[in-house]
Amino acid sequence: DIQMTQSPSTLSASVGDRVIITCRASQSVNNYLAWYQQKPGKAPNLLIYKASTLESGVPPRFTGRGSETEFTLTISSVQPDDFAVYYCQEYKSYSGTLGQGTKVEIK
Amino acid sequence: QVQLVESGGGLVKPGGSLRLSCTASGFTFSDYFMSWVRQAPGKRLEWLSYISTTSVYTNYADSVRGRFTISRDNALNTVYLQMNSLTNEDTAVYYCARDDEERGRDVWGHGTSVTVSS
Repeated sequence: DIQMTQSPSTLSASVGDRVIITCRASQSVNNYLAWYQQKPGKAPNLLIYKASTLESGVPPRFTGRGSETEFTLTISSVQPDDFAVYYCQEYKSYSGTLGQGTKVEIK
Repeated sequence: QVQLVESGGGLVKPGGSLRLSCTASGFTFSDYFMSWVRQAPGKRLEWLSYISTTSVYTNYADSVRGRFTISRDNALNTVYLQMNSLTNEDTAVYYCARDDEERGRDVWGHGTSVTVSS
């Protein structure tokens, strides 16, 4: 099974900060990597797929990069609406393993 | 619009059973694999199971294999999760999601809450 590891687990940031979240796969997933945002009490929301393709309607301050086993999600200037938990997910395998999540909280 | 709506959650005693349903609308349901994902209170998302378009392929997480069964009815645009031998550790919000080959898990339902308690 493919394992997905995110870092950090928690990240404290101020509005306007640049934030980078890392996701590592235990084996190559090519670019079959998605990022999701989840707010309390809500379902996850797709932000980025194919490692770097922005989902329709997602602000361009979100950027995804990487391939094979190393991926990043960058928020160029964190806004109040961005404080949430972010998950990466590989979908090279049918089971689509998720990372453990990164909470972006207000400093 | 594209939508998934879960139902069937509730309070159940340890050892009990529950069947969750997820009804799709706004897209050709039979074209997509479907998954169930859950989230225990304060915990991470956990993938549970997937089912292929014609139900030929299914798979389960170790935590539920042998207790949960996924199925689908393409005529009703619905995917199910039969949950047996429930324990307190199965208490969670259960989401169904559409699996897209290019976009990953691109559509999610709002979730249905399952509480296992005596």
